[in-house]
Amino acid sequence: GNSVTQMEGPVTLSEEAFLTINCTYTATGYPSLFWYVQYPGEGLQLLLKATKADDKGSNKGFEATYRKETTSFHLEKGSVQVSDSAVYFCALSGLNAGGTSYGKLTFGQGTILTVHP
Amino acid sequence: NAGVTQTPKFQVLKTGQSMTLQCAQDMNHEYMSWYRQDPGMGLRLIHYSVGAGITDQGEVPNGYNVSRSTTEDFPLRLLSAAPSQTSVYFCASSYQSQGMRTDTQYFGPGTRLTVL
Repeated sequence: GNSVTQMEGPVTLSEEAFLTINCTYTATGYPSLFWYVQYPGEGLQLLLKATKADDKGSNKGFEATYRKETTSFHLEKGSVQVSDSAVYFCALSGLNAGGTSYGKLTFGQGTILTVHP
Repeated sequence: NAGVTQTPKFQVLKTGQSMTLQCAQDMNHEYMSWYRQDPGMGLRLIHYSVGAGITDQGEVPNGYNVSRSTTEDFPLRLLSAAPSQTSVYFCASSYQSQGMRTDTQYFGPGTRLTVL
């Protein structure tokens, strides 16, 4: 089956620090990979995604590269802000033999990020 | 365009009570899903639907029923609530364009359920 493993949290950083949140996966077939963000009291929002090997997803200064050889999709940001404080989820969407995902996601456990001024 | 809406936002039940969590989307998406979020466990798929009249089980379906009579609505029913069902429930919808390798899921704001 499919699974996603994220680095243990919580992560606490000072403003302008460099951020890395590790994510590795196991999957049958060739999944698509996602990072979702959940701000306090809200639902999940898509942060970025990548659908094939070596694709780089990017948004709001965050980046992640689909590494098939290491089955990883690590999230990075060069300079975090207080407003980046949230819970970050790595997720994958597997395709069936017919190339359909059916909207089913497998999530990692989430990483709480707190950024201090 | 309201996106994905969920009601109620909060609910407290006693063990053994039943209730329905409502989910609706106005984007004409064919796929809809229910997830539960528990601390340290991320989100886990409960049930999903690939179109009106078609549903299937996810990772943690026990204790929950679903049906999908219209494209827009996908209610989640708890037949006899248990404390283990205390969680935050998220509904999501998506579609997969022809030739696209994946879809993007849109999540509702969530329902926080406590079972005493």
